[in-house]
Amino acid sequence: EIVLTQSPGTLSLSPGERATLSCRASQSVSGSYLAWYQQKPGQAPRLLIYVASSRATGIPDRFSGSGSGTDFTLTISRLEPEDFAVYYCQHYGSSSWTFGQGTKVEIK
Amino acid sequence: EVQLVESGGGLVKPGGSLRLSCAASGFTFSNAWMNWVRQAPGKGLEWVGRIKSKSDGGTTDYAAPVKGTFTISRDDSKNTMYLQMNSLKTEDTAVYYCTTLSSVARGTWGQGTLVTVSS
Repeated sequence: EIVLTQSPGTLSLSPGERATLSCRASQSVSGSYLAWYQQKPGQAPRLLIYVASSRATGIPDRFSGSGSGTDFTLTISRLEPEDFAVYYCQHYGSSSWTFGQGTKVEIK
Repeated sequence: EVQLVESGGGLVKPGGSLRLSCAASGFTFSNAWMNWVRQAPGKGLEWVGRIKSKSDGGTTDYAAPVKGTFTISRDDSKNTMYLQMNSLKTEDTAVYYCTTLSSVARGTWGQGTLVTVSS
């Protein structure tokens, strides 16, 4: 089973700043089957990125994903007030899924 | 509109059983690989298990903590997936979501249903 480690645990930034979130896998992620989600309190997660760099339907282009192998990054180019939330990376393998522990992006 | 709606959550005593349902609409459910994901209060996301489409064998896979006690099934005629949970423990307390990454409804999640295991 692939273990995903996200860093940092918390990111304190101001609106308009750039956010860079990291997700490291314990072994290479085949097919780049790596996704990113945003979750706000009391809501279900929202898919942002799949196959490492493809934006899901309706996701603004300020969200971008990159990486391959064991190192992946979610970048939010300019934080909007609605972007302050918890972000999870996910590996969706052929027989199981795993999630990272999450990164909280909070207002500084 | 593509939609998933979970139901069946509630309060159950340790050792008890519960069956959750996930009703799908707005897409070809029979083509989708469907998953259950749970989130304990104040914690992160945890994958529970998955059922493939019947055309891909209809097989199931489970996370280690629930293997042998939880069972996923589907009824494509009713566009519904089920999660049968037996021998429930307090650590199974969580909001349970159904979701899929299949292209027919990629990224769709239900609103979740709360399961509380307590005496």
